[in-house]
Order: sequence, then structure tokens, then C-alpha cells
Amino acid sequence: DQQVKQNSPSLSVQEGRISILNCDYTNSMFDYFLWYKKYPAEGPTFLISISSIKDKNEDGRFTVFLNKSAKHLSLHIVPSQPGDSAVYFCAASEEGTYKYIFGTGTRLKVLA
Amino acid sequence: NAGVTQTPKFQVLKTGQSMTLQCAQDMNHEYMSWYRQDPGMGLRLIHYSVGAGITDQGEVPNGYNVSRSTTEDFPLRLLSAAPSQTSVYFCASRNRGGDTGELFFGEGSRLTVL
Repeated sequence: DQQVKQNSPSLSVQEGRISILNCDYTNSMFDYFLWYKKYPAEGPTFLISISSIKDKNEDGRFTVFLNKSAKHLSLHIVPSQPGDSAVYFCAASEEGTYKYIFGTGTRLKVLA
Repeated sequence: NAGVTQTPKFQVLKTGQSMTLQCAQDMNHEYMSWYRQDPGMGLRLIHYSVGAGITDQGEVPNGYNVSRSTTEDFPLRLLSAAPSQTSVYFCASRNRGGDTGELFFGEGSRLTVL
């Protein structure tokens, strides 16, 4: 049973436009959510996170939105750049468990 | 500025062989974990540890053993490798506090079991 789901395996966006990556979860005990970016042959790198007490967190071009009632979060990248082309994973954890569950990833391609 | 170091980066095994993937971190992080990445499956948690002497199972623990005798090291053992264990393995760590909950990942170890 997949507790964290990324239903779009891939996404293509034109440079300069907005990229929106989505993530759904089923476990209502998750209280921390993170987004990671991964290039081929490298380890995942942290992008941005959000606590369940918030509904939005911004860091430069990256914004994460959390809708707890819908058990849904999204990552917005504005404006998208070719260097953003990578696989994006969302992850979630329960408070105090230090156990992170990841989604299956979305491959973003930003077209120049 | 090492961070999380994994060795080896590449390994080919025959079915039934054993091996250990090494993971070391120099950030004094209490939490360490192992993930495997497979096409279409994302990153799946194998085992994790919240401190020296403490380990627990993740989503896909079968076929793997771990131990945590020091804060710095968290080796992953395959006692009898199977082709289904062909994957890319990532070690990750984090501290107990912090504002972001960020996990720091190693660069990965690609394992092929023939």
C-alpha cells in the first residue's frame, strides 16, 4: 500500500512557465513533508519542506502548498529553468518516527 | 566536507554471494537510513536507525541486515544476494532537531546481482 503517491510519472514545461508537481498521501499521521530533486547518477538533494501546521512555504522560485483536508501537497517552480530538469520526489514522515516514506517520483523536463 | 559517504559505488555479485554496503557520515547525525531506488518504484526504505544500537525495519527489509555500533557508520549487509536485489542503494542521515527535517543523502551504490 503506497502511502505517498505521485501519480504523474512525467511532466514537460516550457522554460519560463510554471511547473506544478503533485503528491498525495494516505497516512493522516504524517506531519512533515519534503521535496527532493534528483539528477542521474547523483543522490537526491533537498529542495524545500513544510510542516503540517503550515499550508505554504516559499524558498526563492520554489513554493510548496499543503492541503491537509485533501491529503495533498504540490510543488510550484516559477519560473522553470532548463536546469530544473530532474526527477522530483516528495516524502513524508510521522512526528518523532524519523521514518521517511517517499513517492515514486515525477520526471520534469523543462524545454528551452 | 564529506557528508554521507557510500562505498563501493559499483558492485557486481553472483546469486548467493554476500556483501556489505558501507555508509559513513561525519555530521554526528543520530538518524541514518538505507533506501533502494528501482524504476517506477521510487525510493523505498529498507532499514533505519535512530541511534547507536537501535535499528528498525522499513518498507522492504527482507534479505537485508543492518547494525549500528557507532554513530558514524551504518552498514547494509546482503547475506545471500538475489537478482531482485539489483538496484541503486542510497544511505541518508539527519540530525534529531533542525528546522527543515532535511535528510542528507550519499551518492549511491549501484549493485547488480547476476
